[in-house]
Amino acid sequence: NAGVTQTPKFQVLKTGQSMTLQCAQDMNHEYMSWYRQDPGMGLRLIHYSVGAGITDQGEVPNGYNVSRSTTEDFPLRLLSAAPSQTSVYFCASRRYSGDSGNTIYFGEGSWLTVV
Amino acid sequence: GDSVTQMEGPVTLSEEAFLTINCTYTATGYPSLFWYVQYPGEGLQLLLKATKADDKGSNKGFEATYRKETTSFHLEKGSVQVSDSAVYFCALSEGGNNRLAFGKGNQVVVIP
Repeated sequence: NAGVTQTPKFQVLKTGQSMTLQCAQDMNHEYMSWYRQDPGMGLRLIHYSVGAGITDQGEVPNGYNVSRSTTEDFPLRLLSAAPSQTSVYFCASRRYSGDSGNTIYFGEGSWLTVV
Repeated sequence: GDSVTQMEGPVTLSEEAFLTINCTYTATGYPSLFWYVQYPGEGLQLLLKATKADDKGSNKGFEATYRKETTSFHLEKGSVQVSDSAVYFCALSEGGNNRLAFGKGNQVVVIP
């Protein structure tokens, strides 16, 4: 059972570099999202998608881009990394329906350091 | 908007002690409520959930009851183990937008 798979698990970037965090899920979930986790801040929503071709901004979207060309994949792009983007990033997915009780499934996280 | 509030600060307790982590919420309708657990170096995983008032979610000895009158969903465990050391997040989901609101999490440390 693969579930939600994120890569890479660890990455060090220099300020100004770009990179893409990959996320894939094999549960045919319509809804996918990216969160960042920072000490004392909990989880903050960056971007989300409710289906292929549809994306929207979350709470902290600045500095990040996303796309959703397939149901399975939802990559997160950092176009010009800044030290403030040092964080742990989690991809998550769930079924998209009128049922608010659907469980959300998380990937194992990507630890990003920007120096 | 929807929000979740968890008690401030880490929780440190001895093995076999009773654990309570408070969670209160603000929502306009009738949300579903969740507790997620994050073990060191891992992602979040669902611990338990409740989808309507007075429901009790339970798993691995943990319990939480959906209290609409007090807008609360406190997590309890009668006898904790060292392996319960983790960060615990309360969350809610409301309506058809499927977005979750998370609390800030509580670090629980269980000492042998």
